[in-house]
Amino acid sequence: DGGITQSPKYLFRKEGQNVTLSCEQNLNHDAMYWYRQDPGQGLRLIYYSQIVNDFQKGDIAEGYSVSREKKESFPLTVTSAQKNPTAFYLCASSILISNYGYTFGSGTRLTVV
Amino acid sequence: SQELEQSPQSLIVQEGKNLTINCTSSKTLYGLYWYKQKYGEGLIFLMMLQKGGEEKSHEKITAKLDEKKQQSSLHITASQPSHAGIYLCGAPEETSGSRLTFGEGTQLTVNP
Repeated sequence: DGGITQSPKYLFRKEGQNVTLSCEQNLNHDAMYWYRQDPGQGLRLIYYSQIVNDFQKGDIAEGYSVSREKKESFPLTVTSAQKNPTAFYLCASSILISNYGYTFGSGTRLTVV
Repeated sequence: SQELEQSPQSLIVQEGKNLTINCTSSKTLYGLYWYKQKYGEGLIFLMMLQKGGEEKSHEKITAKLDEKKQQSSLHITASQPSHAGIYLCGAPEETSGSRLTFGEGTQLTVNP
């Protein structure tokens, strides 16, 4: 079955460390997205990519980096420059023009310890 | 940039009651998506509205987009515990149709 897979489900990071969250899709979707979700704040866009080897900053890109070397993969690195990284991270994918919006992964909960 | 405001922020209802969640945009909507999220999980697509005055239903959930295309409502009839979760509305940006902006979500609790 086609879908979008995020790993790991839970992640713990020490302060000062970089950590990479994985996102893989086998839906043949062109576009992929990373959102951050905090309680009471909905989803905020970090980065998105509409084509391989190209990506754009979203509303809260500072302290994060991404790559899009393959159509299927869009990993997110949370760097030590991100001051408040503890959050729930959601990856999504879509075809560029769709009546169904995004397909979401099941999320990664990152906690800084 | 587009902003979406949802109301109420949270809602507690007794099983069997009807309820409505609203999503209001600061700009004309070029489409409006409704999603449902269980706590700690990803979002599940419910419905998409595009035309002013459009209404869609799926099982006991009905979504409407007003004629002016600046407000949408999600109505649940005869609520059940399975309806509990977070409901989010999302809308595409005018300049980048694939990029969605989301409301803050409405937390729904249905008591048996």
